[in-house]
Amino acid sequence: EVQLLESGGGLVQPGRSLRLSCAASGFTFSAFAMSWVRQAPGKGLEWVSVISAAGSTTYYTDSVKGRFTISRDSSKNTLYLQMNSLRAEDTAVYYCAKRVTGTVGYFDLWGRGTLVTVSS
Amino acid sequence: EIVLTQSPGTLSLSPGERATLSCRASQSVSSTSLAWYQQKPGQAPRLLIYGASSRATGIPDRFRGSGSGTDFTLTISRLEPEDFAVYYCQQYGSSPTVYTFGQGTKLEI
Repeated sequence: EVQLLESGGGLVQPGRSLRLSCAASGFTFSAFAMSWVRQAPGKGLEWVSVISAAGSTTYYTDSVKGRFTISRDSSKNTLYLQMNSLRAEDTAVYYCAKRVTGTVGYFDLWGRGTLVTVSS
Repeated sequence: EIVLTQSPGTLSLSPGERATLSCRASQSVSSTSLAWYQQKPGQAPRLLIYGASSRATGIPDRFRGSGSGTDFTLTISRLEPEDFAVYYCQQYGSSPTVYTFGQGTKLEI
């Protein structure tokens, strides 16, 4: 079955760190760029970061630059998001999403998400 | 940075009616980079339309995307009960690389 399964969310204090994982199955993980998209409670979708298929190129939204790091391990078919110096405004459901190949930039497969709550 | 503005914020309709959702970009975008997603409560988003007008795999033909430049539209011709959800438009830009979502339109009964 083609799917993405996120894990690693939870309650964390401001300033602390958390690492999210996304396990991919049912498709050739190494062939696709992957992304993290988040959704604060009751709010809309916000793109966070993307990593190329080879893992050599990464991009971030401005609000997480210098704090979050996206990475991937194709031997484990897993995408990661290392989140440091967490803030209350990082509280959200974090989705991993598979980006379609080519120069078009949309996401055709999404995980169910993992909730990150930043609070003291 | 391109901003996508969706309207209306909430659309109240009944099953069988036609829904028209708008997505306006702050500057012209490539049609190939415009997509629409549906999100139901507690679920992940689902790709509906890509390239402004192409339906994703398994999407019924009552969903139609159209538009170009700065104005894009998602039309649902005859609403089914399962269509009541939140809809987002999304644009991809390559210089710089950024993925932008509209704020969403809630389609409710």
